[in-house]
Amino acid sequence: EAQVTQNPRYLITVTGKKLTVTCSQNMNHEYMSWYRQDPGLGLRQIYYSMNVEVTDKGDVPEGYKVSRKEKRNFPLILESPSPNQTSLYFCASSWGGSNQPQHFGDGTRLSIL
Amino acid sequence: AQKVTQAQTEISVVEKEDVTLDCVYETRDTTYYLFWYKQPPSGELVFLIRRNSFDEQNEISGRYSWNFQKSTSSFNFTITASQVVDSAVYFCALSEELTVANNLFFGTGTRLTVIP
Repeated sequence: EAQVTQNPRYLITVTGKKLTVTCSQNMNHEYMSWYRQDPGLGLRQIYYSMNVEVTDKGDVPEGYKVSRKEKRNFPLILESPSPNQTSLYFCASSWGGSNQPQHFGDGTRLSIL
Repeated sequence: AQKVTQAQTEISVVEKEDVTLDCVYETRDTTYYLFWYKQPPSGELVFLIRRNSFDEQNEISGRYSWNFQKSTSSFNFTITASQVVDSAVYFCALSEELTVANNLFFGTGTRLTVIP
């Protein structure tokens, strides 16, 4: 089954404790992105990747890191999480650029205390 | 400047009523793409439709229909004979051809509640 898999689905942690949210897709997609969803703001892009070893900032990259060492994986790293990073996070992938629909994972709800 | 506006924050309808969700967008690109996504209570995002800027033909898929009008920069979504399973948050989104980032600009969403 074609899918984007995120882990964990839920996480409660404390300020400053490094965490990684994993994302994996099995569709051989070139493009991958991370978004965060906040009430009243919709979804906003954090980082994106056009291919292996090619990543760049989206609209709200502060406090996040990513890597793309393999085509299928695109982890999101919070080196020193803060409460303002409490949010619902989505990983997405697509075949190509702006004309292709993005396929989303089921989301990861992060709470930073 | 916000690129996608969904002015309706919440809508409630009684089952079997028709409902239209509004979406107004803003872009300077001549080539762009519009999308609708559904987010049911379980939280995942489900792709519903994509439209490119050169195709203003309306589309119907079962009870769903979409009205794209470039003249008013709108891409509205109508559900006919609504059902309880249609209860969800619906997002309209825009991507621009010239954007390298493959960024989807989302509206703030419209929460639809269908009352049995």
